[in-house]
Amino acid sequence: QKEVEQNSGPLSVPEGAIASLNCTYSDRGSQSFFWYRQYSGKSPELIMFIYSNGDKEDGRFTAQLNKASQYVSLLIRDSQPSDSATYLCAVRGWGKLQFGAGTQVVVTP
Amino acid sequence: SAVISQKPSRDICQRGTSLTIQCQVDSQVTMMFWYRQQPGQSLTLIATANQGSEATYESGFVIDKFPISRPNLTFSTLTVSNMSPEDSSIYLCSVEVRAPANTGELFFGEGSRLTVL
Repeated sequence: QKEVEQNSGPLSVPEGAIASLNCTYSDRGSQSFFWYRQYSGKSPELIMFIYSNGDKEDGRFTAQLNKASQYVSLLIRDSQPSDSATYLCAVRGWGKLQFGAGTQVVVTP
Repeated sequence: SAVISQKPSRDICQRGTSLTIQCQVDSQVTMMFWYRQQPGQSLTLIATANQGSEATYESGFVIDKFPISRPNLTFSTLTVSNMSPEDSSIYLCSVEVRAPANTGELFFGEGSRLTVL
């Protein structure tokens, strides 16, 4: 079992709609959770982090964390073509950051 | 955040040769890491670069193949030794920045894309 799992996609989202990305993790002791966006040929850039159960909003992005279910999600509201990228979920337990394989999002005009 | 400069940004190498990738950060950071991202894959941690001592390698990675130096808090190098086509990948330097909130996010350099023929 992978430590951090994501659907690989591609997730096709109409422009203006909400993109919903999911991530599950195996280490129940994980303490911090991150979402990175990676455009093709570029390095990952941090877009959100969350530590506490519940929702955290930043602009068009909302991260949701449920530690009991070992589940973290990212919502992208009013999706734009510029949101087309691969989104990496990363989870930190004791020490290093574990990355999921990423979900490719394609926003269609 | 931190500004991370990596070079070379890309290179084409011959089988059996070695290449050293440099990573320079614009501020002193405690934690520096080297990741590999193979085509279509996610990031795999190679090692933690420790200042003034030997790097800490992850399972599957060894010092003879990936020697790492970190002479100070702003600079590190990763060497990919005796390269084979399987080493074709993007190699990423990353640093952990601990803000007052102690969030501990990782920031990445632009990556070094290596192609081994």
